[in-house]
Amino acid sequence: DTAVSQTPKYLVTQMGNDKSIKCEQNLGHDTMYWYKQDSKKFLKIMFSYNNKELIINETVPNRFSPKSPDKAHLNLHINSLELGDSAVYFCASGEGDSPLHFGNGTRLTVT
Amino acid sequence: SQQGEEDPQALSIQEGENATMNCSYKTSINNLQWYRQNSGRGLVHLILIRSNEREKHSGRLRVTLDTSKKSSSLLITASRAADTASYFCATGDTGRRALTFGSGTRLQVQP
Repeated sequence: DTAVSQTPKYLVTQMGNDKSIKCEQNLGHDTMYWYKQDSKKFLKIMFSYNNKELIINETVPNRFSPKSPDKAHLNLHINSLELGDSAVYFCASGEGDSPLHFGNGTRLTVT
Repeated sequence: SQQGEEDPQALSIQEGENATMNCSYKTSINNLQWYRQNSGRGLVHLILIRSNEREKHSGRLRVTLDTSKKSSSLLITASRAADTASYFCATGDTGRRALTFGSGTRLQVQP
């Protein structure tokens, strides 16, 4: 009964490749997010979708493209991966000011 | 620059002692939340305090908020080895629709 699930948990790939991370939530929340956590544990918002509509798009290279087929899913596609993209990517969902629910993260390693 | 900044960056205490972590932020907020992250896992919500509240308790957790100083503290009383984790503050400010996180305090509780 995982509330927010993301796959894969680990992703190791070479520079220049294209990869996707999937996220699904079964909490009925309208808003979903992608956060990036760097090696110093700093967590930074990347994107936010509300009911399939993009509402936050931080300063992220356009190699990153989120896609929300429905309000329960928010996927992240990354083109032309670079070494600096190595990080842990977290999906989260929420409603209004209520606390966020996070997935367990996808550790992306670009070699 | 980061919105939320936790202090100290790392804290090591003995089981049974109290742990205090501080958070400073920069903009006006609607609420401030504390989250916990165990190694290799996603963030889990601990407690939310609204901008018109000064103190809140939940079990062994006590959170204070001083909006004039733009700071908050999280106190964990009678710590246990299982409290070992990273703790993050996150602010929900008046304009954005996503929480802004700091880089966390890494707490180590020695048994």
